Amino acid sequence: KNQVEQSPQSLIILEGKNCTLQCNYTVSPFSNLRWYKQDTGRGPVSLTIMTFSENTKSNGRYTATLDADTKQSSLHITASQLSDSASYICVVSVNYGGSQGNLIFGKGTKLSVKP
Amino acid sequence: KAGVTQTPRYLIKTRGQQVTLSCSPISGHRSVSWYQQTPGQGLQFLFEYFSETQRNKGNFPGRFSGRQFSNSRSEMNVSTLELGDSALYLCASSFNRDAYGYTFGSGTRLTVV
Repeated sequence: KNQVEQSPQSLIILEGKNCTLQCNYTVSPFSNLRWYKQDTGRGPVSLTIMTFSENTKSNGRYTATLDADTKQSSLHITASQLSDSASYICVVSVNYGGSQGNLIFGKGTKLSVKP
Repeated sequence: KAGVTQTPRYLIKTRGQQVTLSCSPISGHRSVSWYQQTPGQGLQFLFEYFSETQRNKGNFPGRFSGRQFSNSRSEMNVSTLELGDSALYLCASSFNRDAYGYTFGSGTRLTVV
């Protein structure tokens, strides 16, 4: 069964600290993996997207890694800011051709950054 | 370039009523998909429309339906509302049926009382 598991469910850190969020997937055939940031009550916004051949992708203070062998991805946030408080969702695309019905969503990690 | 626009942003309905939500995709995008997001289940795929035709459907009851117009705008309808239908409903658009380049709207928060 295609699944995406994220950990931890929630995380509280102090402003300025770093943190790492995890995503494990059992999706086959794999097409790509994307990390989204979702502010409360808003739609998800894409942070990074990685295909099978990519193992690192950065977007400012956000760095995503992908290990296609172990089917694990991580999102590292450097020097956290209060505005990083949000849910972070890992989404894996199944390679059955173009269709948004082939996206497998994790349930997200809720990050709270405290001053 | 305008993003994906969903209306209304908030909605309160009574159990048993029906509701229609609207999604205007990014100009030029022809594919629109709908998702339901609840705290317990996360994001769940409802259906996908491309060129006015439903191309894919998630595992939701027939009370959930949708359509797409010739200008690519889409509506989804939920009939006989239940308390469990309370959720954030998101739509996402892309140029083609492309699981790579899609953009989400801000959603419609539906509360059923």
